[in-house]
Amino acid sequence: QVQLVQSGSELKKPGASVKVSCKASGYTFTSYAMNWVRQAPGQGLEWMGWINTNTGNPTYAQAFTGRFVFSLDTSVSTAYLQITSLKAEDTAVYYCAKEMAVAASPDYWGQGTLVTVSS
Amino acid sequence: QSVLTQPPSVSAAPGQKVTISCSGSSSNIGNNYVSWYQQLPGTAPKLLIYDNNKRPSGIPDRFSGSKSGTSATLGIAGLQTGDEADYYCGTWDSSLTTGVVFGGGTKLTVL
Repeated sequence: QVQLVQSGSELKKPGASVKVSCKASGYTFTSYAMNWVRQAPGQGLEWMGWINTNTGNPTYAQAFTGRFVFSLDTSVSTAYLQITSLKAEDTAVYYCAKEMAVAASPDYWGQGTLVTVSS
Repeated sequence: QSVLTQPPSVSAAPGQKVTISCSGSSSNIGNNYVSWYQQLPGTAPKLLIYDNNKRPSGIPDRFSGSKSGTSATLGIAGLQTGDEADYYCGTWDSSLTTGVVFGGGTKLTVL
């Protein structure tokens, strides 16, 4: 069965960096893109972008250019989200979510990683 | 401001049926498949409906989806207290800002 297991919660100070991991199993990792979705406290889902797991090419939504980086380690079927120069407004739950099909919304989701940015 | 528009909340009694609407445009719902997700409190979203009206394995047939033009609807019949959750629609947007778009979410209360 498809599983996406994310790394644990993080507490960071403003200006620091964080790297969230998402380990996939139960399917061929390089056959489906991986999406990243942010959910701020009490808010809805916000698509951050996706990474082509075959080529490693990332695509970022407009609001997530500059400080956000998607990467892969295909040898361990893992996708990563790195956020640099953290701000208080980056406090949110971050989800990885497997592509269902080309140009489609995701099907399977990770359990989420809470990133808290506070001094 | 979400690209797709959902009502903030809906409510109904146990056993009743409720519908949740999702309105978009020709660049998203009008030309792409719609998915629906259920997010129980404190958990990750779970796929309920895909390709407008298909249910993944394990999703009861109490959940249904439909699409007409640039709008989609999620139906939940035989409401149970365990259905209390946030529900999101999602689809692909083929405009200049290509990518996945979600509705703002609808909080379902089972009275």
